[in-house]
Amino acid sequence: EPEVTQTPSHQVTQMGQEVILRCVPISNHLYFYWYRQILGQKVEFLVSFYNNEISEKSEIFDDQFSVERPDGSNFTLKIRSTKLEDSAMYFCASSYPSGEQYFGPGTRLTVT
Amino acid sequence: GQQVMQIPQYQHVQEGEDFTTYCNSSTTLSNIQWYKQRPGGHPVFLIQLVKSGEVKKQKRLTFQFGEAKKNSSLHITATQTTDVGTYFCAGRRTGTASKLTFGTGTRLQVTL
Repeated sequence: EPEVTQTPSHQVTQMGQEVILRCVPISNHLYFYWYRQILGQKVEFLVSFYNNEISEKSEIFDDQFSVERPDGSNFTLKIRSTKLEDSAMYFCASSYPSGEQYFGPGTRLTVT
Repeated sequence: GQQVMQIPQYQHVQEGEDFTTYCNSSTTLSNIQWYKQRPGGHPVFLIQLVKSGEVKKQKRLTFQFGEAKKNSSLHITATQTTDVGTYFCAGRRTGTASKLTFGTGTRLQVTL
């Protein structure tokens, strides 16, 4: 069964550094997403991406964040100048236009 | 902004007892999805409801979408230890193409 993959599984970085989280969505899916989940809390939408551009973004997704689909398979989330409060689990997901979203296993980001 | 609340926040039941979680949106939804997240895992899609008043069943799970398309419920009959996890509803607001707003989640604990 096809699945969404994410790397790395755990990233530790120092405050102020830049990180890039990587995802390989399910091939043939058209929408790609990034979500964030702080430990023990709900899943928060960050951004959706369709047809090589941002489709929608939340108020969390400010200039500190950017997404890119550098080739036909990868989908990345870049976080610049990380802050302590960016520590969370980051999930990538992909879907067809209106259906279920398939989530990857997540990247745990720890900012020290 | 749109808010999606779930009650209860946590429920502990004995195996064999029933369980219900309720989901309420501050805005009308075009559709609602339900996800299950096991401890340490990622959200896994359970079902999508689209029509007003729709009821769907999956074995011991019954999902309902309210007439006003602002609330939903998930009922589990005769819980099993494999039902342990956090159940999230996730709504897509009318007029948005892709953004899913997740509910606050209900954590279910099942003991023998």
